Amino acid sequence: GAGVSQSPRYKVTKRGQDVALRCDPISGHVSLYWYRQALGQGPEFLTYFNYEAQQDKSGLPNDRFSAERPEGSISTLTIQRTEQRDSAMYRCASSLALVTGSMNTEAFFGQGTRLTVV
Amino acid sequence: GQQVMQIPQYQHVQEGEDFTTYCNSSTTLSNIQWYKQRPGGHPVFLIQLVKSGEVKKQKRLTFQFGEAKKNSSLHITATQTTDVGTYFCAGRRRAAGNKLTFGGGTRVLVKP
Repeated sequence: GAGVSQSPRYKVTKRGQDVALRCDPISGHVSLYWYRQALGQGPEFLTYFNYEAQQDKSGLPNDRFSAERPEGSISTLTIQRTEQRDSAMYRCASSLALVTGSMNTEAFFGQGTRLTVV
Repeated sequence: GQQVMQIPQYQHVQEGEDFTTYCNSSTTLSNIQWYKQRPGGHPVFLIQLVKSGEVKKQKRLTFQFGEAKKNSSLHITATQTTDVGTYFCAGRRRAAGNKLTFGGGTRVLVKP
């Protein structure tokens, strides 16, 4: 596609339910990132993938959060047993290349999924 | 773990004036990027700095990477209302691969 696509754009769920957030990166992009952004704050790193391999999941808050990118393209961030504190904007970004020297590795962000847990 | 701090958190600027926002990392970075996020929007890439002491300009915006590659600055001259938004720096450490860590941002408000 032309850009990074995230779905759904808005999700309201009841506390205790599981949710799956989808990210469709720019075609051919190697790296895919998940961030969580609270209002007025910077994007908080959750996890990232190079191709299908999850390289770093140190930012996932607890074991209710998981992510996968099985074929190295579309990724899903799953939150189990949602809690009100999980309410936030979840952002996905992708970048073309692995970091090598001065190669430009800008991250392209999607519009985000606004998650509200009630 | 790596931390990226930005100051100030808020910047109120009179239209036409200059200002500078600063970014500091707790660790040496392999490169640093700057993004701008308009209200209600998503972060959009502005520039990447790689070399120690590097300076790059984009029209009224001047970006600098510190000699020790642990800090960076963004200077905007003759601020315009179109400069409104939040400016984020984001850094990568060589040891952390492609992990991109963002600062908390500087929110810029312009007074006409």
